Amino acid sequence: DAEITQSPRHKITETGRQVTLACHQTWNHNNMFWYRQDLGHGLRLIHYSYGVHDTNKGEVSDGYSVSRSNTEDLPLTLESAASSQTSVYFCASSLEAGAIGTEAFFGQGTRLTVV
Amino acid sequence: AQTVTQSQPEMSVQEAETVTLSCTYDTSENNYYLFWYKQPPSRQMILVIRQEAYKQQNATENRFSVNFQKAAKSFSLKISDSQLGDTAMYFCAFRDDKIIFGKGTRLHILP
Repeated sequence: DAEITQSPRHKITETGRQVTLACHQTWNHNNMFWYRQDLGHGLRLIHYSYGVHDTNKGEVSDGYSVSRSNTEDLPLTLESAASSQTSVYFCASSLEAGAIGTEAFFGQGTRLTVV
Repeated sequence: AQTVTQSQPEMSVQEAETVTLSCTYDTSENNYYLFWYKQPPSRQMILVIRQEAYKQQNATENRFSVNFQKAAKSFSLKISDSQLGDTAMYFCAFRDDKIIFGKGTRLHILP
């Protein structure tokens, strides 16, 4: 069965370190998204991609970057981790808007703690 | 920019009752999609129901149905015969090219 997986599931890192969260999907979806979930804020869009070599900034992109070198993967990098980036991170993928069944499929989430 | 507003941060209802969760959105687009997602304590995001904006008929999925009012930009979720397993956070989401979520409504089903 097709799926979307995130790794690691939990991570603790120190302030100032570079951190990369992995996201891998086998749906063959062109669209991929990264969100962070914080109490009182719901899910906020960090970055998204419509296909290989395409990346776009979302609502809360400062301090984060992504790259898309293939269809399956969209890693999220925190360039210099800050305590404000402590959160639960979700990766999602979907077909293009306008396709039948255009909802997003989500990974299990990564809980990141910056100390 | 598109926005999604869920005005009820938290709700509680008795088991077997019907509950309605509110969602409004703002967009200048004519073609878009709307979704309700459920997030139980396991943290997994589960699609509950979807609605295409060009369809006037309200979507239904078993005990879940929506009231889609395009002119009012309203998209409420009705859960009938609520069950303990419906206890979760519920998110309303809007999609044109990207997908934007509301802040969520935490729903408690009481025995």
